[in-house]
Amino acid sequence: QVQLVESGGGVVQPGRSLRLSCAASGFTFSSFAMHWVRQAPGKGLEWVTLISYDGGNKYYADSLKGRFSISRDNSKNTLFLQMNSLRAEDTALYYCVVTDDAFDIWGQGTMVTVSS
Amino acid sequence: QSVLTQPPSASGTPGQRVTISCSGSSSNIGSNYVYWYQQLPGTAPKLLMYRNNQRPSGVPDRFSGSKSGTSASLAISGLRSEDEADYYCATWDVSLSGRVFGTGTKVTVL
Repeated sequence: QVQLVESGGGVVQPGRSLRLSCAASGFTFSSFAMHWVRQAPGKGLEWVTLISYDGGNKYYADSLKGRFSISRDNSKNTLFLQMNSLRAEDTALYYCVVTDDAFDIWGQGTMVTVSS
Repeated sequence: QSVLTQPPSASGTPGQRVTISCSGSSSNIGSNYVYWYQQLPGTAPKLLMYRNNQRPSGVPDRFSGSKSGTSASLAISGLRSEDEADYYCATWDVSLSGRVFGTGTKVTVL
């Protein structure tokens, strides 16, 4: 079945880096743009970044530019999010998402906690 | 903060109709489709509406969407206890070159 499985979350100190992964299955990963969306505890949804189907175009939320980087490996059906210079306000559940009109799939999320 | 504004809460008794608004601008709702999500406690968001008023397979016809100018709305008719959840609107913002979500509305069934 169609599935997105995130991994790589954890507890990290402020200023450190973390790399999230998202393994896709059940659909043609290389045909779809992919997103990362995050949700801080008790807060709303916040779009983070988008990468085009071939990795040629990338878009970021203004507040994150320069610190986060999205990439993908279509040969391995995997999406990545490199997060640098992490701050306490980056603490959130990070979702991997594919959305194309009615085709809209979210992973279960991976929790990132930035704390000393 | 989000560029799409929703009321923080809405409520109704079983069987009633509840409407949630989503207010934006010409750079987002005014020029792109609106999508609606339902998020039940402890779960990932689920798509309720795409292209303003289209329901994905499996979404009951009690849910309906509309858009006019720079605003959109989601209506839930025949409210049921299982509709108690958070609801978010979303669209693309051409000025920000990014997807934007609404502030979210918590629906309570009294």
